[in-house]
Amino acid sequence: EAGVAQSPRYKIIEKRQSVAFWCNPISGHATLYWYQQILGQGPKLLIQFQNNGVVDDSQLPKDRFSAERLKGVDSTLKIQPAKLEDSAVYLCASSLEGGRYEQYFGPGTRLTVT
Amino acid sequence: QQQVKQSPQSLIVQKGGIPIINCAYENTAFDYFPWYQQFPGKGPALLIAIRPDVSEKKEGRFTISFNKSAKQFSLHIMDSQPGDSATYFCAAIKNYQLIWGAGTKLIIKP
Repeated sequence: EAGVAQSPRYKIIEKRQSVAFWCNPISGHATLYWYQQILGQGPKLLIQFQNNGVVDDSQLPKDRFSAERLKGVDSTLKIQPAKLEDSAVYLCASSLEGGRYEQYFGPGTRLTVT
Repeated sequence: QQQVKQSPQSLIVQKGGIPIINCAYENTAFDYFPWYQQFPGKGPALLIAIRPDVSEKKEGRFTISFNKSAKQFSLHIMDSQPGDSATYFCAAIKNYQLIWGAGTKLIIKP
């Protein structure tokens, strides 16, 4: 079974630029999560989708972050404009509907904002 | 805000030793407690999980001990190996929300 795919794996941008990350969840997984993981900390949930609807985006900085999950499969997370404090690993995870503790994570995208 | 406090921040153990990682939570309403293992450059992977009505769960060399009255739970790794070197996260789940501990960086020395 293929795992969660993410791209790119690494990205370096200057502050005030924009960036987008892509995630392809495990086939059949209805729930998709985007997390931000700052070095030395646990992941922080940014947004959770159930199929193509948003379940929780309470911790998403909506003035600069946006995410979509068209057709309930792939998802993109965008940051515009980026700030220095956005430097982190952005993790995508997916789970079967209702399997909220059995989240399967992708390798992440390491973002460096200079 | 609900929190999960994890300790120690880092841990070095000789091969064959039994590292113990502790977590404490502040809300009695959590309904599941998973542990994740994360290797450098990889996403976290579910290692083992326990419900609050169970006091202990074993899977291979990994054991979770759960103390509901003290609101504490811990991970023990038996016969630890250098390949177990990773960052371990405890977590607690309630209402689709996964609350993470800060993580423990474990190093197993050969």
